[in-house]
Amino acid sequence: KAGVTQTPRYLIKTRGQQVTLSCSPISGHRSVSWYQQTPGQGLQFLFEYFSETQRNKGNFPGRFSGRQFSNSRSEMNVSTLELGDSALYLCASSQPGQYYGYTFGSGTRLTVV
Amino acid sequence: TQLLEQSPQFLSIQEGENLTVYCNSSSVFSSLQWYRQEPGEGPVLLVTVVTGGEVKKLKRLTFQFGDARKDSSLHITAAQPGDTGLYLCAGEPRLAPYQDSWGKLQFGAGTQVVVTP
Repeated sequence: KAGVTQTPRYLIKTRGQQVTLSCSPISGHRSVSWYQQTPGQGLQFLFEYFSETQRNKGNFPGRFSGRQFSNSRSEMNVSTLELGDSALYLCASSQPGQYYGYTFGSGTRLTVV
Repeated sequence: TQLLEQSPQFLSIQEGENLTVYCNSSSVFSSLQWYRQEPGEGPVLLVTVVTGGEVKKLKRLTFQFGDARKDSSLHITAAQPGDTGLYLCAGEPRLAPYQDSWGKLQFGAGTQVVVTP
C-alpha cells in the first residue's frame, strides 16, 4: 500500500510569508503527527491529529497550526515565517493504540530566506 | 520533559566490524522505537520494543530494552556499507493503560553511523 505522502518536497519562502504543507497518511491510519527536524534541535514534536481533532501539541509558537480533514489528510501552516523556521518538516501516520510505531513521509524541506 | 540521550553521536567503522548504539533516559517509557534515517528522507521504523528486558533480533541487528524500561541499545553485527545512516531512538511516554502517546514521541539526537568498505 502507498506510504505517507508529503507535498511539496522542497519550498523556498521569504521571511514574513506564510506556508502550507500537506500530508496524506497511509490508508486506514487516522492519526497524523507533525515534526520539525533541524541540525541543532533534532526532531521536535509539533502536534498530532486524530479524527479531525488536535489531541496533542508541542512547544511551538502559535504561528504553527494544523488541521485534519475527514479523509485523514492533514495540513500544517506556518505564518509570518522566520529564518529559524528553515527545517525539514515531517509527518507520520499510525494506527490507533500503542506499539505499532509510526510511518514517516519523506518530508518537506522548507528554506526561509 | 523526558529526555533521551544517545551515544555515541558519531561512529565510523570498517565493513565487517560490530557496533553498539545506546539510548538512555531517567524516565520510563511504555515503548521504545528505533528508526534509521537517510539524508533528505524521513525516518524508517526498524523495531518497537515494549517489554522490559525484551530482546529483538532482525537479521544482523539486535535491539534490547532495559529491564526498567528506561534505556535501550542497538547492536549491529558485521556491519555493511548499507547500514550507513542516522540511527534514532524514540520513546513513547508512559500514559494510562491502552492509551497511545497521541503522536508525541520523544526522540534522541541520533547517532550517525558510517560504514566504509
